[in-house]
Amino acid sequence: EDQVTQSPEALRLQEGESSSLNCSYTVSGLRGLFWYRQDPGKGPEFLFTLYSAGEEKEKERLKATLTKKESFLHITAPKPEDSATYLCAVRGSSNTGKLIFGQGTTLQVKP
Amino acid sequence: ETGVTQTPRHLVMGMTNKKSLKCEQHLGHNAMYWYKQSAKKPLELMFVYNFKEQTENNSVPSRFSPECPNSSHLFLHLHTLQPEDSALYLCASSPGTSATYEQYFGPGTRLTVT
Repeated sequence: EDQVTQSPEALRLQEGESSSLNCSYTVSGLRGLFWYRQDPGKGPEFLFTLYSAGEEKEKERLKATLTKKESFLHITAPKPEDSATYLCAVRGSSNTGKLIFGQGTTLQVKP
Repeated sequence: ETGVTQTPRHLVMGMTNKKSLKCEQHLGHNAMYWYKQSAKKPLELMFVYNFKEQTENNSVPSRFSPECPNSSHLFLHLHTLQPEDSALYLCASSPGTSATYEQYFGPGTRLTVT
């Protein structure tokens, strides 16, 4: 059964304190791993797609990496506006479009 | 309007009411989705439509009835709901259902069943 586990559940950082969020996954034939950001009361906002182990993508202070078993979202010198819940999702070899989501990591960055 | 829009943003309904949620995408996509997001739980896929045809029903109770009249519009008709159905209902769209496509989400409808 396809499964996604994110850790930690919650993370508090001081502004400028770099850290990483983890997404461990089990899926039959990974077709894509997706990172989203969700602000309170809003829908998830797409950040990155990673397709194969070794791939990396960057956007401003965020960098996503992928191995065969997990993905990391590295946050470099975070700012308070980076506070949000970060969601990881995977899609396996089924082509029906079904995304399997993790529970998310809620990040709080204090000034 | 841009992206994916949902109306209403908030809805309070009694267990005997009938209401509908509306989603519209302005991205030219062909696939649309309904998700349920409950507190402390991962997003749960409910329905998938591709070119107006339902391709997945994730064992959703019949009190939730989807409708997709065209590739830009998606509805979720609600009747005789239970309090445990209170959640954030999210609509999403993607170019198609190919595994590599990312999905774009609307802001959601916060539903409270009393």
